[in-house]
Amino acid sequence: AQSVTQLDSQVPVFEEAPVELRCNYSSSVSVYLFWYVQYPNQGLQLLLKYLSGSTLVKGINGFEAEFNKSQTSFHLRKPSVHISDTAEYFCAVGSGGSNYKLTFGKGTLLTVNP
Amino acid sequence: DTGVSQNPRHKITKRGQNVTFRCDPISEHNRLYWYRQTLGQGPEFLTYFQNEAQLEKSRLLSDRFSAERPKGSFSTLEIQRTEQGDSAMYLCASSLISMETQYFGPGTRLLVL
Repeated sequence: AQSVTQLDSQVPVFEEAPVELRCNYSSSVSVYLFWYVQYPNQGLQLLLKYLSGSTLVKGINGFEAEFNKSQTSFHLRKPSVHISDTAEYFCAVGSGGSNYKLTFGKGTLLTVNP
Repeated sequence: DTGVSQNPRHKITKRGQNVTFRCDPISEHNRLYWYRQTLGQGPEFLTYFQNEAQLEKSRLLSDRFSAERPKGSFSTLEIQRTEQGDSAMYLCASSLISMETQYFGPGTRLLVL
């Protein structure tokens, strides 16, 4: 069985500050890891994904994440946030071999204040 | 690439009524998924199709729920005898078999009164 824990339900930051959204996972098999963003009343948009290879993954809108197998973490970072980054962020894990379903965390609401 | 579309975007119904939602995946995507998202939670897997075959259903999907994907194109999710606990956002996603990325639609928000 897989599970995802997003350690912070809400993260308030000021504009142009750096931010880190934390995600830990558990899985008994190799995994694929994803970060999705959800704006109000919209579906989920893929930010970035880790499938294999380099543990540092770069995504859209200046976001990046680092896969750490020993700590079973996949934290999301951005060096300087904008007001428009205000949204809900979801970490998800898919099992290797038959990645037909994703297990999501509960989400982290990022609020960027002026 | 027009993306995944879902209709309707919003549905208000009375308890006990039946509702049906439609999902149109990205063309040529073989896999289609349904998820349910309740307030303050992440999406939870309900079921998925590979082409027209429904290959797995979550235990979250009670007997009142049924999903179809005739001809392997669009899919419908029907909820019979709706209950207030069915109120949620229903999300559809699609992917290619050989790709791991699931692309999500905008969702259908259901409110059962």
